[in-house]
Amino acid sequence: DTGVSQNPRHKITKRGQNVTFRCDPISEHNRLYWYRQTLGQGPEFLTYFQNEAQLEKSRLLSDRFSAERPKGSFSTLEIQRTEQGDSAMYLCASSSPTRGTSYEQYFGPGTRLTVT
Amino acid sequence: GQNIDQPTEMTATEGAIVQINCTYQTSGFNGLFWYQQHAGEAPTFLSYNVLDGLEEKGRFSSFLSRSKGYSYLLLKELQMKDSASYLCAVMRAGGATNKLIFGTGTLLAVQP
Repeated sequence: DTGVSQNPRHKITKRGQNVTFRCDPISEHNRLYWYRQTLGQGPEFLTYFQNEAQLEKSRLLSDRFSAERPKGSFSTLEIQRTEQGDSAMYLCASSSPTRGTSYEQYFGPGTRLTVT
Repeated sequence: GQNIDQPTEMTATEGAIVQINCTYQTSGFNGLFWYQQHAGEAPTFLSYNVLDGLEEKGRFSSFLSRSKGYSYLLLKELQMKDSASYLCAVMRAGGATNKLIFGTGTLLAVQP
């Protein structure tokens, strides 16, 4: 059980470029969450997958953001036409109702995005 | 809507006890979590309370009063490594999401 992994750990991009992040949840976790965290703030919910189905998207997730979890395992988060306001830490978390504390979410190390 | 309040910063001395408070208002409640986050790292789970009362786990304890919308995290025998941000998060009830709504975090500095 290697925990939640995210790649890349850091990404610097120019405004207007597209970026894609990957999250590999703990194996057999069927629930996957994306959050965004800016300096001095707590994480903010972006979107949720149960298996391959995207069941909820936050209003924070503009149409420039898209997330997928095609086979119910890893997930990708893409940001198109990045803006400086997209600079943040993007955190992925996974959980399973059958492991540990039933609702505990295990977080990955995050991808820090800097848009210049 | 939802609102979660916790102090921005706290300072305590090594070996002492510190209590970090969290108050919340939410349209649905399915439990309260405390996470620890060291700078530049992922949040790590500390505790989960869904019923009123105190949950103790080693040096850390967490208390919940649902009627008052109040929780606290108690850290005993503070160590320098406890310097971190402590995040209070409420899990909203309803639907299948179980998403967490986080406070801004309390930055704890443990001094020698």
